[in-house]
Amino acid sequence: GQQVMQIPQYQHVQEGEDFTTYCNSSTTLSNIQWYKQRPGGHPVFLIQLVKSGEVKKQKRLTFQFGEAKKNSSLHITATQTTDVGTYFCAGGGNKLTFGTGTQLKVEL
Amino acid sequence: DTEVTQTPKHLVMGMTNKKSLKCEQHMGHRAMYWYKQKAKKPPELMFVYSYEKLSINESVPSRFSPECPNSSLLNLHLHALQPEDSALYLCASSQDSGWTDTQYFGPGTRLTVL
Repeated sequence: GQQVMQIPQYQHVQEGEDFTTYCNSSTTLSNIQWYKQRPGGHPVFLIQLVKSGEVKKQKRLTFQFGEAKKNSSLHITATQTTDVGTYFCAGGGNKLTFGTGTQLKVEL
Repeated sequence: DTEVTQTPKHLVMGMTNKKSLKCEQHMGHRAMYWYKQKAKKPPELMFVYSYEKLSINESVPSRFSPECPNSSLLNLHLHALQPEDSALYLCASSQDSGWTDTQYFGPGTRLTVL
């Protein structure tokens, strides 16, 4: 079945440093969605990418969808303590499959 | 209103108990989902309801029984659970069941099976 892997599994950064998480699917995706889950919380939708090579920005967050529609990345510029949480990509195909997640910790 | 509500927030039950989890949304969404999430793992899809009919069952054991009484409500009936079923159970809804639709998650029910 479809597998969606994310690296790294964990990332500790100092506040102000940049952060990137990478998402790779075993199959071509119809779309990719990104969710953020704060500690003790539930997944919250961030953005969706549909087109090959698409790039979208939300303030300090930049999302990319690969040309082959099998990978994606999320880049956060100048992290803040409010960015703490686990970031999941979720690939659409015959169903929405969540990636393994990247847990981000931000230290002052 | 983009809120999905779930009750109870926490539930502790024995292996012989019968309990139900409830989920409600008033966004007019026609697709509703149950996910199971273990600690430090991604949500795993369990069931999908589309227009109040069960459309996907991800080979979930029969001790979990979903029900969709109407377009706003989704229940998950639990019976004879095992300790390994302890997890966060998340409900979600989306406009339709197409996989390009944004899913809105509820806060979850944290279930402990003793």
